[in-house]
Amino acid sequence: QVTLKESGPGILQPSQALSLTCTFSGFSLSTYGMRVSWIRQPSGKGLEWLATIDWDDDKYYNPSLKSRLTVSKDTSNNQAFLKITSMDSADTATYYCASWELGDYWGQGVMVTVSS
Amino acid sequence: DIQMTQSPSSMSVSLGDTVTITCRASQDVGIYVNWFQQKPGKSPRRMIYRATNLADGVPSRFSGSRSGSDYSLTISSLESEDVADYHCLQYDEYPHTFGAGTKLELK
Repeated sequence: QVTLKESGPGILQPSQALSLTCTFSGFSLSTYGMRVSWIRQPSGKGLEWLATIDWDDDKYYNPSLKSRLTVSKDTSNNQAFLKITSMDSADTATYYCASWELGDYWGQGVMVTVSS
Repeated sequence: DIQMTQSPSSMSVSLGDTVTITCRASQDVGIYVNWFQQKPGKSPRRMIYRATNLADGVPSRFSGSRSGSDYSLTISSLESEDVADYHCLQYDEYPHTFGAGTKLELK
């Protein structure tokens, strides 16, 4: 059974960096073809794809945010990470991690608020 | 980047209606379009994958189709549980891109 769960700070101040962890089970990110993606959604708005990391450590980023995004993984502990630098109120959103190679699997989402 | 232009942005519907939502891709994305349903406070749920394939556990009143660069999600005989937001996603190439979403509301 595949599960994913995001964790991270609920609130941070403008200009701080956001670090999120996606802890998953039911698959390995070292297995050929597996990927974890990060998506966010401001309240009342649409979904925005942020980044994806592959089994072979290839990384893909949303060009509009690329300079601020870093994805990484720890295959030993079944975790993927997302870091966003220079957070701003416009980055306030629910952040999801997801994996679609074995089906449709999403985390429950973690709400992140940027406020002074 | 590939743009997915989704329409309509919102739709007022009645139970029993047939509802069609469309995404137009700015470039060829082949069959690599998914449709997601999202209810308030919940994570999205994939309804259709590879443009026309019904995801596991999804009622047969949902269907996906493609005509050229237009991808459609159709809900036949709308039920109350179908009132939700719907999003398309192209994953043919990076960056993946979502449509802006469609909100279904009951009349």
